[in-house]
Order: sequence, then C-alpha cells, then structure tokens
Amino acid sequence: QQQVKQSPQSLIVQKGGISIINCAYENTAFDYFPWYQQFPGKGPALLIAIRPDVSEKKEGRFTISFNKSAKQFSLHIMDSQPGDSATYFCAGSFQGAQKLVFGQGTRLTINP
Amino acid sequence: DSGVTQTPKHLITATGQRVTLRCSPRSGDLSVYWYQQSLDQGLQFLIQYYNGEERAKGNILERFSAQQFPDLHSELNLSSLELGDSALYFCASSKNPGQGYEQYFGPGTRLTVT
Repeated sequence: QQQVKQSPQSLIVQKGGISIINCAYENTAFDYFPWYQQFPGKGPALLIAIRPDVSEKKEGRFTISFNKSAKQFSLHIMDSQPGDSATYFCAGSFQGAQKLVFGQGTRLTINP
Repeated sequence: DSGVTQTPKHLITATGQRVTLRCSPRSGDLSVYWYQQSLDQGLQFLIQYYNGEERAKGNILERFSAQQFPDLHSELNLSSLELGDSALYFCASSKNPGQGYEQYFGPGTRLTVT
C-alpha cells in the first residue's frame, strides 16, 4: 500500500521535445509528492514538489500535473535539453512517518 | 554540492565483515535519513534520526544499525555482510520533520561485498 509505481523505466526524447514521466500511488496518506533528479555518480536532488490539493505546479520547464481522484501524477519537461539526461524519481512523502517512498526511477536520455 | 558529506566514497570488503559508513548533514539540519540504492530494489528508505533520536524505520535489516551523535553526524553500521548488501548507500538531511519531502542527499558510499 505504500508503493509508488513509476513508468516508463527508460525514455528517449529528441532535443526540444516534451518528456513525460508518470507515477501512480495507492496510499492516500502521502502529503507531498516530490520529484528528484539524479545524475550519474551523484545523489538525488529535489527538482520540484506538489501537494495533493494542487492540480498543477510549474517551475521553469518542469511541470507536475496531479490527478487526485486517479491517484496519479506526472512530470513534464518542456523543451527537453541534453543536460536534462538523468534518472528521475517520483516519490510520496509521509509527514507523520517522515520518510520518502520512491518510484523505481526513469532513465531519461535527450538526444541532441 | 548539497552540503551533505559521506565517507568513504567506495568500500570493498568480504562477506561476513562489518563496515561503518559516515554522514555529516548540512549545517543546521537536524534530520538524517539513510537510503539504500540497488539496481533491482531502487531507492529504499532504511532509517531516520532527528536530533539524536530514531524517528522512523524502513526496510532495515537486523544486521544493520545506525545512530546520530550529539554533533548530528550519523553512522550506519552494516555487519555480517552478504553479497546482496552490495549497493549505493545514501545519506540525506533535512531541516525539520515537517519538511521531510525536501531532503538533501550526499554523494553516496558505494559498497562492494566480495
């Protein structure tokens, strides 16, 4: 019940295109849904996060769309750039339990 | 640079051995989290400490233990190591439990058990 399911496992997008990564969750106790970006050899870094009472959040080229009734959320990267090539993790956060439950990750490759 | 430091970067050891991984959180952060990252299991939460006290536990094996010291640095102890314990171990920190979704990760320790 604490799982966060993420798809696809890998994604290849042409430069300038839109990258879309999807996640689904089961536990309605999550109170925040962050996305983390991880480059090879580095630790994950917070990219953007959304609360479940908000349907969309945009920061620059990155947008989270959130569908509470479907228990799904997605990350959209507009005008994708080669520098966006990384592994992306969605997660659910429990304030009470104070931990992050991560999806399995999506390896994104942006072809120049 | 996240401000979280982890040592060592790499560790190679044999089965049955015991190792200690060290983490220093960002200045001012009271919470420390430990995660294990492997290819088949993804990023798994192990344990969280807040200001020296254990706050949350995840899928942490009984062979593993952790503590947070008065200066807020933390150590993760792994004993009776098995081949399957080979993984990247990340430490993360956050200012307070109320902002637990905003965690700052260190560069990780790559553990190889042979």
